[in-house]
Amino acid sequence: GDSVTQMEGPVTLSEEAFLTINCTYTATGYPSLFWYVQYPGEGLQLLLKATKADDKGSNKGFEATYRKETTSFHLEKGSVQVSDSAVYFCAQYGGYQKVTFGTGTKLQVIP
Amino acid sequence: NAGVTQTPKFQVLKTGQSMTLQCAQDMNHEYMSWYRQDPGMGLRLIHYSVGAGITDQGEVPNGYNVSRSTTEDFPLRLLSAAPSQTSVYFCASSGQGSDTQYFGPGTRLTVL
Repeated sequence: GDSVTQMEGPVTLSEEAFLTINCTYTATGYPSLFWYVQYPGEGLQLLLKATKADDKGSNKGFEATYRKETTSFHLEKGSVQVSDSAVYFCAQYGGYQKVTFGTGTKLQVIP
Repeated sequence: NAGVTQTPKFQVLKTGQSMTLQCAQDMNHEYMSWYRQDPGMGLRLIHYSVGAGITDQGEVPNGYNVSRSTTEDFPLRLLSAAPSQTSVYFCASSGQGSDTQYFGPGTRLTVL
């Protein structure tokens, strides 16, 4: 069945460091891919998405590129801030409410 | 526009008690879902609805009931709570034809 695998955390970085959180997916067809972010005590909110191969989603300095050949959707940010501390979820949408989430990666950014 | 709202924020139950977690959305979304979030397991789908009067099971439906009498509301019922149902519960909604979900703030449930 469909699955999403993302790197385990927690990830601890210093402010202004480069961030990569790996995500790979298995699915039939060409699902839409997402990164959701969950700040402490809150629900998930959409960070960015890509709907087809080679699309790049971007928001708030974060980017991810839909790589069909490697079935990956890695999240990157060039310079993280303390306010980016949160849990990040990779997800895929296979249609008809079928959303599969990864297990989440906790990011802690220290000043 | 409140988005997706959930009540209560926190709840403690004893084993065997019943309760209903409330979820409402004001975006006129057709699709609504319930997830549970457990450490190391991400979000798992409990039940979902594609419109008023239509519900279906997700990945982990046992021990939970749902109904959808209106577009706005999608309550989740625990008939006889068990410690294994200790979790954080999220409600989400999305519009017809949309692949993006909008989440509520969650309900943290502890079953003793």
